[in-house]
Order: sequence, then C-alpha cells, then structure tokens
Amino acid sequence: ELKVEQNPLFLSMQEGKNYTIYCNYSTTSDRLYWYRQDPGKSLESLFVLLSNGAVKQEGRLMASLDTKARLSTLHITAAVHDLSATYFCAVDIGSGTYKYIFGTGTRLKVLA
Amino acid sequence: DGGITQSPKYLFRKEGQNVTLSCEQNLNHDAMYWYRQDPGQGLRLIYYSQIVNDFQKGDIAEGYSVSREKKESFPLTVTSAQKNPTAFYLCASTSPGRGAIEQYFGPGTRLTVT
Repeated sequence: ELKVEQNPLFLSMQEGKNYTIYCNYSTTSDRLYWYRQDPGKSLESLFVLLSNGAVKQEGRLMASLDTKARLSTLHITAAVHDLSATYFCAVDIGSGTYKYIFGTGTRLKVLA
Repeated sequence: DGGITQSPKYLFRKEGQNVTLSCEQNLNHDAMYWYRQDPGQGLRLIYYSQIVNDFQKGDIAEGYSVSREKKESFPLTVTSAQKNPTAFYLCASTSPGRGAIEQYFGPGTRLTVT
C-alpha cells in the first residue's frame, strides 16, 4: 500500500526561525508536489518536483526531492506569520496514471 | 478567467437524501478528481476520471457515484449509503498531456448532513 507520511504533524515556531518539514513516501515516484491550505480554504499549488535532486525556491520556502531516499523536504527560512497554514505533500503513482496520494499534512503556526 | 468552480459552497441535507455536488472546469483539462477532507485530516481520493465517459474508484468510493459525460464537468453524488457524509469535498483537475501535471483545486463544497 502506498503511504505518504509527513512529519511533524504540528509545528509551532517563532517568527524568524528556520525549520524543515519532511515528506516520506513508500513507492518509487519521481514526481512530488507541495500544496498549501489556509483554514477553511482550498489547496494552492506551491512546488512541483519532477526529478531526483530537484530544488525549487519561492520566497522563504524551499523544496527538494531525493527520489532514492523517497524523501522530500520543505524548508522554511526566517518564518513570518503569513506562512501559518497546513502544508501537504503529494505523490503520483506514475505508470501513466496520474493518481495522487496525499500526505497527512503539517499544520504550521508561526508565532509573532 | 480559467479555473474550477464548485457549487454550492455550503450544502445542508437530511440523512437519507441523495445530494449532487457540482464541479466544472474551463481549463481544458483531461483528468478530474474528487477528494474528501475531514476536519484536521488529509485528502482522500473518492473517484477520478482521466477521460470522458471513463472513471475509476479511489480509496473511499463506497456510497458515492460520479459521471463524466462532458470534459468540463464531473459531478459527484453522495448517496444515502454513505454512512458519514459530512465533510469538505474538493474537486481538482490536471492535464499531464498538456504539461499541467500538478492539480488545480476548486474552492470546495462543505456538506453537512443531519
């Protein structure tokens, strides 16, 4: 069974601090996605990582993918309150079928 | 503007009634998906369709039905057989063949059944 696990599930951090969210998955896939969800809202695409070693950055967020370790990280640099949200990673099962499995989500709260 | 619309935003129904949630996209995407999200939880796949007139069950299809008669539309019916239908329902689309492999999500429908 394909599993996508994130840790931590909850993260409370001070503004200005750095932290990393981890996403582990149990199948071979070289396509991984990160999304953001604000409370009561839908999901917004953040990053698409398509190959081993891929790194993407947007503002204070940087995502990377290690397909050999089946691990993706979402690094937060100098957190600000506006980054408070739930972050999901997702993997598609490949083989020509674009079926996506989502992680459990990491609820991030940045304290002023 | 291109995007995905879901209606209604909020839906209230009595137990035992079937209810249909609408999802329409004008992105010309081939694939469409329905997910369920419970409070504080992740997304679980209900059904997905990669082409018109074809769809596959996801992980939690029991008590739900779908149709895909048009490329733009993928309605979801929550039947009375679904034991715990109260949840947030999200529709998404993607089009890998056209380079859009990440999913685009609609605003969601919050269904409450009492």
